[in-house]
Amino acid sequence: GAVVSQHPSRVICKSGTSVKIECRSLDFQATTMFWYRQFPKQSLMLMATSNEGSKATYEQGVEKDKFLINHASLTLSTLTVTSAHPEDSSFYICSASPWTGQETQYFGPGTRLLVL
Amino acid sequence: GQQVMQIPQYQHVQEGEDFTTYCNSSTTLSNIQWYKQRPGGHPVFLIQLVKSGEVKKQKRLTFQFGEAKKNSSLHITATQTTDVGTYFCAWGAQKLVFGQGTRLTINP
Repeated sequence: GAVVSQHPSRVICKSGTSVKIECRSLDFQATTMFWYRQFPKQSLMLMATSNEGSKATYEQGVEKDKFLINHASLTLSTLTVTSAHPEDSSFYICSASPWTGQETQYFGPGTRLLVL
Repeated sequence: GQQVMQIPQYQHVQEGEDFTTYCNSSTTLSNIQWYKQRPGGHPVFLIQLVKSGEVKKQKRLTFQFGEAKKNSSLHITATQTTDVGTYFCAWGAQKLVFGQGTRLTINP
C-alpha cells in the first residue's frame, strides 16, 4: 500500500522556538496532503489542506501565520509551528492519497511535539 | 449543520466478547470510512462504505452502512487483545472529518 513518512517522530523544544515537521509520500505523488492535530484522548482535527504549488487552505480557527505550510513538491509537505508555546504540544499527523478525488487517506506515523 | 455522533466513547470487554461502535449522522453521508488507531500509533485505514445498506466483512470485523446512509457500525466478533485501540469513523470527499472515536480496551 501507499506509504507516508513523517520526520521527526518526536521533538521537544523550548517555548518561542519554531519547529518544522516534514511529511513525505514515499511511493506516490500527492498534489494534496492534509495536516491533522490530535490532543491526548481526542479525535483528529483537520488543520489545513496542503496544495502543491499553491497556498494551503486552513480550517476555521487555525492561524495560518502560526502554522506555516509549504508543499514544494509532489512528495513533500512541511508544517512549521512558529513561536511554539506549551499549548501547541500535540500529535501532528499528515495524510495523503495516491488517487486524485479518492477519499481514502494514508497517514504518516505522526510527530509528537512537546513544547516546554 | 451536519452532526455525527460516535458512540460509545469507551468500551471495555473481556477477551472473546463482541464489540460494536456506531456512527450516527443527522444528514445523509456520501460515504463513510473506518480507521483504527493503536495506542501511540497513527490511524490506519480499514474500509470504506459507499452504498446504501452495504455490509462488508474483514475476518472478525463486520462493517455496515445504513439504508438511509446516516448510520454506520463496526462490529468485532470474539475480540482479541490485538483489537485494542481507538476506532474512528470518518466521512467526507477527500477532506476527512473524524468522529470522536471509540476506545476499546480488552481484559485478557
